[in-house]
Amino acid sequence: EDQVTQSPEALRLQEGESSSLNCSYTVSGLRGLFWYRQDPGKGPEFLFTLYSAGEEKEKERLKATLTKKESFLHITAPKPEDSATYLCAVQAASSNTGKLIFGQGTTLQVKP
Amino acid sequence: GAVVSQHPSRVICKSGTSVKIECRSLDFQATTMFWYRQFPKKSLMLMATSNEGSKATYEQGVEKDKFLINHASLTLSTLTVTSAHPEDSSFYICSAKPGGSSYEQYFGPGTRLTVT
Repeated sequence: EDQVTQSPEALRLQEGESSSLNCSYTVSGLRGLFWYRQDPGKGPEFLFTLYSAGEEKEKERLKATLTKKESFLHITAPKPEDSATYLCAVQAASSNTGKLIFGQGTTLQVKP
Repeated sequence: GAVVSQHPSRVICKSGTSVKIECRSLDFQATTMFWYRQFPKKSLMLMATSNEGSKATYEQGVEKDKFLINHASLTLSTLTVTSAHPEDSSFYICSAKPGGSSYEQYFGPGTRLTVT
């Protein structure tokens, strides 16, 4: 069964304290792995798509990496405005609809 | 680019009435749209997938007669919650997938439904 597990469930950081969020996945052929940011009461905001092991993408203080079993979202020197829930999702190669399988998310709080 | 809107953002309705939520892709054509439901502090639960001009595909456990989905054009999908009850109160989010080789989905801002 295709599955996505994110850890930790919640993370508190001091401003400037770098850390990583983990997304472990089991899927019968990966078409793509997606990272989204969701603020309270809003829809998810697209961050990155990763397609193959070894791929990396960066955007401001965020860097996403991918292996055959997991993805990491590295946050360098976070600021309070980075506080949000970060969602990881995978799309199986077998899906002909583009269905995404989401993890439970990691809620990040960055304190000034 | 890749903007998706939803309307209304919030709606309160009485038990037994129906509510329609619109999802629009503003700057791209969406061959496929998805409807999700999200409970407090939980992840997104896919309800159904709709393709323009064809019937929606519902996930297991989702009542298709209660949650009517119409994808009438390449930029508009609607979700109608029929005979709403308090347990239907939730945050409903749509996403849209551009046509072609793109795999990304872009999400709307969500609709908060409260059934009294």
